[in-house]
Amino acid sequence: KNEVEQSPQNLTAQEGEFITINCSYSVGISALHWLQQHPGGGIVSLFMLSSGKKKHGRLIATINIQEKHSSLHITASHPRDSAVYICAVPSNFGNEKLTFGTGTRLTIIP
Amino acid sequence: DTAVSQTPKYLVTQMGNDKSIKCEQNLGHDTMYWYKQDSKKFLKIMFSYNNKELIINETVPNRFSPKSPDKAHLNLHINSLELGDSAVYFCASSQQTSGQETQYFGPGTRLLVL
Repeated sequence: KNEVEQSPQNLTAQEGEFITINCSYSVGISALHWLQQHPGGGIVSLFMLSSGKKKHGRLIATINIQEKHSSLHITASHPRDSAVYICAVPSNFGNEKLTFGTGTRLTIIP
Repeated sequence: DTAVSQTPKYLVTQMGNDKSIKCEQNLGHDTMYWYKQDSKKFLKIMFSYNNKELIINETVPNRFSPKSPDKAHLNLHINSLELGDSAVYFCASSQQTSGQETQYFGPGTRLLVL
């Protein structure tokens, strides 16, 4: 079973700050997913990456396969970024069953 | 058009009742999933189907029975509801069963068992 740990659990920051959320996992993987859960409850997939870095707007996700670690960065954070960010990895290499981290609750204060 | 839809959005019921949650996706995906999110917001896989065939069946009580009449639909029937079944249930879909596929989530069904 792949254990997934996220840090921090909660993060409060001022608007405009650079945000970093971390995810570590215990077993080799084929890909890692970053999800966003809005305050209203809806879940959106942000990134799926297996190496290097991906960027979408103000969001950047990086992964280091050797160190079994991924980070999600938000530049110029905005109150609308307030949400829970969840990383997830397949339990076994190539298996579709995702194991989820416990999430990081981000609050951006205007 | 909603990509992955679930009905109902809210479900309040008494212990011991039987209830169903329906899920439909119009993305043409082959794989569908049911997830449970508990009160601590932790997400966990329950089932997945690929083209109407059961692929993943986690250690879920037999009271939970998924049914996939076609690859666009995956319904969840729950018998003899218990207090501990209160949670948010999310349906999701992806193109294939690989862990490298982006998953698209429904809006969730908030189940409260009294």
